[in-house]
Amino acid sequence: NAGVMQNPRHLVRRRGQEARLRCSPMKGHSHVYWYRQLPEEGLKFMVYLQKENIIDESGMPKERFSAEFPKEGPSILRIQQVVRGDSAAYFCASSPVTGTGLVNTEAFFGQGTRLTVV
Amino acid sequence: AQTVTQSQPEMSVQEAETVTLSCTYDTSENNYYLFWYKQPPSRQMILVIRQEAYKQQNATENRFSVNFQKAAKSFSLKISDSQLGDTAMYFCAFPTHGSGNTGKLIFGQGTTLQVKP
Repeated sequence: NAGVMQNPRHLVRRRGQEARLRCSPMKGHSHVYWYRQLPEEGLKFMVYLQKENIIDESGMPKERFSAEFPKEGPSILRIQQVVRGDSAAYFCASSPVTGTGLVNTEAFFGQGTRLTVV
Repeated sequence: AQTVTQSQPEMSVQEAETVTLSCTYDTSENNYYLFWYKQPPSRQMILVIRQEAYKQQNATENRFSVNFQKAAKSFSLKISDSQLGDTAMYFCAFPTHGSGNTGKLIFGQGTTLQVKP
């Protein structure tokens, strides 16, 4: 059972270009979370998606950032017109369930995509 | 607001010795999970240990154990018989919805642990 797959591992973009980061969740997982990690900091939640639905985007910047999780294919985090401040590691995590009550599960993380804006 | 605080930015320990990493949190939830994640230089986030708040017994995974003090909202990680491979950044994490969704997490600032030979 393959883990959470993110690609690319490293991405270099010039200021003003678009960055597309991909995440394929673990088999059987239908919930995807994106996080951003700035240097020497912890991960910060960005967005939570289920198939074809954005459930919680409270951590997403209001402009230039968008995310989708289509019925088929990976989840995509898209950053338009990148700026140097977007340079960070972006992590995707997936989990099998959510809901009320105590669930014995955890979020599994991918290896991240390191975005460098030059 | 829910918060997670790790007050030790850096720590070091000699190989084979024991080290404890601190974490405090704030929540109004009653049932929830707490996690410790390890991030080695490879950047992969690896779950080290998980504690369920309704369990009074502290979780243990081989050389890793926690000291969970629910009333004090404290969740420290103890690493026994430290190994060079334990060198990593360690994050304490808490689900923002307590128990209902363990994928949306608040992370502490992290503690960089250096294990010295």
